[in-house]
Amino acid sequence: GAGVSQSPRYKVTKRGQDVALRCDPISGHVSLYWYRQALGQGPEFLTYFNYEAQQDKSGLPNDRFSAERPEGSISTLTIQRTEQRDSAMYRCASSLRSGTGNQETQYFGPGTRLLVL
Amino acid sequence: AQSVTQPDIHITVSEGASLELRCNYSYGATPYLFWYVQSPGQGLQLLLKYFSGDTLVQGIKGFEAEFKRSQSSFNLRKPSVHWSDAAEYFCAVGVGDSSYKLIFGSGTRLLVRP
Repeated sequence: GAGVSQSPRYKVTKRGQDVALRCDPISGHVSLYWYRQALGQGPEFLTYFNYEAQQDKSGLPNDRFSAERPEGSISTLTIQRTEQRDSAMYRCASSLRSGTGNQETQYFGPGTRLLVL
Repeated sequence: AQSVTQPDIHITVSEGASLELRCNYSYGATPYLFWYVQSPGQGLQLLLKYFSGDTLVQGIKGFEAEFKRSQSSFNLRKPSVHWSDAAEYFCAVGVGDSSYKLIFGSGTRLLVRP
């Protein structure tokens, strides 16, 4: 079946603009995760949803970052007033069952590469 | 704070040679352990995982990893590397009640000589 998909795959924006990154998880997957990956580094956790509920947003770097998953499926990560330091690969993952209290495998999408000029 | 260390930024091996990629973690209890591979333009693909039980774990594409509690290590191995194995490899851990919050190492880039 289809894997996790993300759009756009590449996004170039000017500093100060808002961007919205979309994640479409594997069908039927309960949990969804967002990570950010700087060049030469491993992914870093941003936030986690169980169905439509945002269970953990401890990794969001500041209040310019927000995420939602209103119907428990597709999720959007929004960055307001982008800054050059926001440039990175943003990765989404999903898991079949709840990630809380379970050892769930996370399946990752191809990522969105964001460049802020 | 928990951390994951992959001490080798780049490794080059000849095709057909054996491979070992190192991963060390710092955490008091036994974490959940994962190896992912990232090929250009692709998402992270899970190679294998360790939760409990047998400390030698078999994964896809002929990879295996061994959990050594005494060394806090989870090294990835393959007896004979193929050119298609050239990619970046990430070790990750999940710990405690927040095990969904994977902590990744900085990755090891594998180059394969023909």
